[in-house]
Amino acid sequence: QQQVKQSPQSLIVQKGGISIINCAYENTAFDYFPWYQQFPGKGPALLIAIRPDVSEKKEGRFTISFNKSAKQFSLHIMDSQPGDSATYFCAASKSTYNDMRFGAGTRLTVKP
Amino acid sequence: SAVISQKPSRDICQRGTSLTIQCQVDSQVTMMFWYRQQPGQSLTLIATANQGSEATYESGFVIDKFPISRPNLTFSTLTVSNMSPEDSSIYLCSVTDFVANVLTFGAGSRLTVL
Repeated sequence: QQQVKQSPQSLIVQKGGISIINCAYENTAFDYFPWYQQFPGKGPALLIAIRPDVSEKKEGRFTISFNKSAKQFSLHIMDSQPGDSATYFCAASKSTYNDMRFGAGTRLTVKP
Repeated sequence: SAVISQKPSRDICQRGTSLTIQCQVDSQVTMMFWYRQQPGQSLTLIATANQGSEATYESGFVIDKFPISRPNLTFSTLTVSNMSPEDSSIYLCSVTDFVANVLTFGAGSRLTVL
């Protein structure tokens, strides 16, 4: 099922720094690209999502950059905070959600 | 977005037994899914729970091992049958709702098979 490749597997960033997580997909039929945030003991929660008609979407400190030709997208977390420490999953699907494919996940640690 | 309640939140089971996980949603939803998350791993779709008909299973998952029911628009169950230690995972219910049109996850059911 793995059609979305995510890197890095783990990331350590100092407080106030920029966290960058990258994903690449294979299926050109995908048209919805969300990022999920998961804290220990909790289910994943939608953080931000983008569709391929735009190249960038920003919500607060979180930005998705999307490169359709390269079939890549990335999550940027500006001014990273210790509370951002979590596992982040990128995903991709066709609009119906019944084929959401997740990346392997990135464990982010933000050091105070 | 929809609020999802899963039961049990965790359980320890013996090899060869079966466990049924319940997923209750606070509103009617269009689609319900069951995912598996093995320790430290990503999320893998097991099946789509279809209301009033048989679930649609992903490659590598079969109905005999993971029977699923969905009697109405707010409730579904996943049974893990004849369990082995390899079934030790977190099982997550997820839904898309009419309004938010996003995929929302429950907190998961952590299953340990001894």
